[in-house]
Amino acid sequence: DAKTTQPTSMDCAEGRAANLPCNHSTISGNEYVYWYRQIHSQGPQYIIHGLKNNETNEMASLIITEDRKSSTLILPHATLRDTAVYYCIVRASGTYKYIFGTGTRLKVLA
Amino acid sequence: DTAVSQTPKYLVTQMGNDKSIKCEQNLGHDTMYWYKQDSKKFLKIMFSYNNKELIINETVPNRFSPKSPDKAHLNLHINSLELGDSAVYFCASSQESQYTQYFGPGTRLTVL
Repeated sequence: DAKTTQPTSMDCAEGRAANLPCNHSTISGNEYVYWYRQIHSQGPQYIIHGLKNNETNEMASLIITEDRKSSTLILPHATLRDTAVYYCIVRASGTYKYIFGTGTRLKVLA
Repeated sequence: DTAVSQTPKYLVTQMGNDKSIKCEQNLGHDTMYWYKQDSKKFLKIMFSYNNKELIINETVPNRFSPKSPDKAHLNLHINSLELGDSAVYFCASSQESQYTQYFGPGTRLTVL
């Protein structure tokens, strides 16, 4: 079973920041948080990952709470092309296995 | 310059047939994976190979057999296809010690 819970769906206005929450209350100290997205029926696309510290790259920012029990993916200026299912995944250090949950269906509205 | 490619993109076949799906990656990665995404959109890992050695083998019927001829290829052979095998199959790869997985475009398998 997935170790994460996410809202089923969210809407966001184009040009605004999209904040996607993820709960991983049973996360262990050596487990990483990964975010992927799947646009329509394409292959999942890597966005960002982190362990303890907040992370930022050209696509998004990842904010992990101090107790590491939840995180938020931030798309700073959502566009219509960001409409997708976003998956939050917890991966144990040293393992190759991803367990995908049901994800959040983000709809960016014009 | 596709990173992870799969062939074919679509595969329609009759129950009972045997079919193969091919995956190739040109990223120089040494770990490859097969995932299945069913009609409810659940994405589940099936197998993983690291340097041609099987490292993940989930509870998958033994009609499914992965084969890795070299580090850049991981093929999936399915015997005696059943209706329930209809799904989208994704291949992925990652670099050892990096773990970030990069996915192919998927193969939509329809069993009639």
